Amino acid sequence: DAGVIQSPRHEVTEMGQEVTLRCKPISGHDYLFWYRQTMMRGLELLIYFNNNVPIDDSGMPEDRFSAKMPNASFSTLKIQPSEPRDSAVYFCASSLEGLYWLGTGELFFGEGSRLTVL
Amino acid sequence: KNEVEQSPQNLTAQEGEFITINCSYSVGISALHWLQQHPGGGSVSLFMLSSGKKKHGRLIATINIQEKHSSLHITASHPRDSAVYICAVYGGSQGNLIFGKGTKLSVKP
Repeated sequence: DAGVIQSPRHEVTEMGQEVTLRCKPISGHDYLFWYRQTMMRGLELLIYFNNNVPIDDSGMPEDRFSAKMPNASFSTLKIQPSEPRDSAVYFCASSLEGLYWLGTGELFFGEGSRLTVL
Repeated sequence: KNEVEQSPQNLTAQEGEFITINCSYSVGISALHWLQQHPGGGSVSLFMLSSGKKKHGRLIATINIQEKHSSLHITASHPRDSAVYICAVYGGSQGNLIFGKGTKLSVKP
């Protein structure tokens, strides 16, 4: 398997523009997670899906952020409008088992999308 | 105070040295996870453990549930071990995954 695939790897945009980040989880994994990583705050969970359904979006910072998972093999994280403080590396991860509640599943990360908002 | 604290934040070692990275947490957990993150962002799951010790090659992870502490050891370190090592715990009041800030390891040849 190719692992979790994210695109784009790097994005530089101007404040106010819409940003869309994409993720393809590992085939068969039923959990998908979006994380944001900054120097100040480390890794933060934004939202996660189970079987394409958003379960917990309490980590999504503002209404400017939205995430969708239209099918089992694709998810998007959208920021509209983007702001300089959104600059970070955004990671997508997938898991096969009930990660949170059982603590037994392994978590597989993509290589991240580095976003710079000028 | 962060719920997951790692030490040290930065670590420089010579090739061949024995390395220890520590993780302390303040919440009740069901399991603890060690991740390795290389420059460029890719993260690899190293261990998941809820008690005792696990070993994989030159890597050893231990956890003491009573003391709320885990350690990651690297024996005979190598420059390719240079990465950021992140501790994450499952648990807390909402049962979510809580990450430490990471330990940046640099192994010099």
